[in-house]
Amino acid sequence: AQRVTQPEKLLSVFKGAPVELKCNYSYSGSPELFWYVQYSRQRLQLLLRHISRESIKGFTADLNKGETSFHLKKPFAQEEDSAMYYCALRAPLAYSGAGSYQLTFGKGTKLSVIP
Amino acid sequence: NAGVTQTPKFQVLKTGQSMTLQCAQDMNHNSMYWYRQDPGMGLRLIYYSASEGTTDKGEVPNGYNVSRLNKREFSLRLESAAPSQTSVYFCASTLKVTSGGDEQFFGPGTRLTVL
Repeated sequence: AQRVTQPEKLLSVFKGAPVELKCNYSYSGSPELFWYVQYSRQRLQLLLRHISRESIKGFTADLNKGETSFHLKKPFAQEEDSAMYYCALRAPLAYSGAGSYQLTFGKGTKLSVIP
Repeated sequence: NAGVTQTPKFQVLKTGQSMTLQCAQDMNHNSMYWYRQDPGMGLRLIYYSASEGTTDKGEVPNGYNVSRLNKREFSLRLESAAPSQTSVYFCASTLKVTSGGDEQFFGPGTRLTVL
């Protein structure tokens, strides 16, 4: 079964400092990975996906298949980056037929940017 | 375009009571999901519906039932609530089932407390 590990429950950085939120995964197939973000009192929303190789709000994430990692990075943290971040892996559902997919989420990392 | 909506936003139940959480999306999405979010546990999939008329169990289905009423609506029922079901429940939807990095859109959540 697939697994997503986010080793840090809480990460505190000063404004302007670099940020790296770690994500490691375990999956036997070809991984599709995402980062979701949940700001205070808001719903989860997609931040970025590895397949797009995009930069959103200054964040980037590179899939490293050798290290089975998908770390989220930003060179200069801003106060508005404070939020809960979830790494997620998309994989076929174990309980259903072909063509059914699910997201497996890590336990999340709370990022706190100190002014 | 409201996206994914959920009702109620808050609910307090006594052990043994039943209730139904409602979810609707107006994006013409095929797939819908129910997750629960617990501190330190991330999001865990309860049930899933790949398309209208189909439902499948996720990681933590015990104590829950679902109904995909039509393409728009996907409800989650607790027949006999237990304190262990105290959680925040999120509904989500996505357009495609096949591979391609499609995004899940989340509702605002229902905060349920079972006494």
